[in-house]
Amino acid sequence: NAGVTQTPKFRILKIGQSMTLQCAQDMNHNYMYWYRQDPGMGLKLIYYSVGAGITDKGEVPNGYNVSRSTTEDFPLRLELAAPSQTSVYFCASSNQQGAAEAFFGQGTRLTVV
Amino acid sequence: SQKIEQNSEALNIQEGKTATLTCNYTNYSPAYLQWYRQDPGRGPVFLLLIRENEKEKRKERLKVTFDTTLKQSLFHITASQPADSATYLCALILTGGGNKLTFGTGTQLKVEL
Repeated sequence: NAGVTQTPKFRILKIGQSMTLQCAQDMNHNYMYWYRQDPGMGLKLIYYSVGAGITDKGEVPNGYNVSRSTTEDFPLRLELAAPSQTSVYFCASSNQQGAAEAFFGQGTRLTVV
Repeated sequence: SQKIEQNSEALNIQEGKTATLTCNYTNYSPAYLQWYRQDPGRGPVFLLLIRENEKEKRKERLKVTFDTTLKQSLFHITASQPADSATYLCALILTGGGNKLTFGTGTQLKVEL
């Protein structure tokens, strides 16, 4: 049972480059999330989705885009990378509404130079 | 403004003692509060959930309390072990919040022999 899988694990980008962080879950969860975590800080919500075809902004969406064409996949796109986007990115998923626990991926460590 | 506060200073305790971590929040009305454990280089892992109408929840050596009047949750680990050393994050789920988790900054716990 894979759970939530993120790729890549590490990436170095140059300023202005773009990339897509991949996230896939095999638990048939409707809810999926992207968070970023900076050193000594908690997780900040970037975008979330309550089902295929539905996405919404979180706390820090600027500079990012998402899509949700299937239940399983929730990619995060960085169009013009900036040093401020250097962070660790976590994807998570959870079941229906209510008190469901979130399952997290292993994270993608991104450095923009 | 809305805030979730956890002790930013690391908590060092001796093996066998009870560790108590605090989560305080302001200007939120959470329906649920969750606690997660995060090890270095890994994604958070769910530990416990408590609902707004519950005072206390237990799971093995873990206990969580939730005081909506004080706007505070306490997380206890009894008979602590070195393997309990990690960062512990509290997270709120708001009513009608699309199941979004809003995280505190976490407290690092170190259990020494």
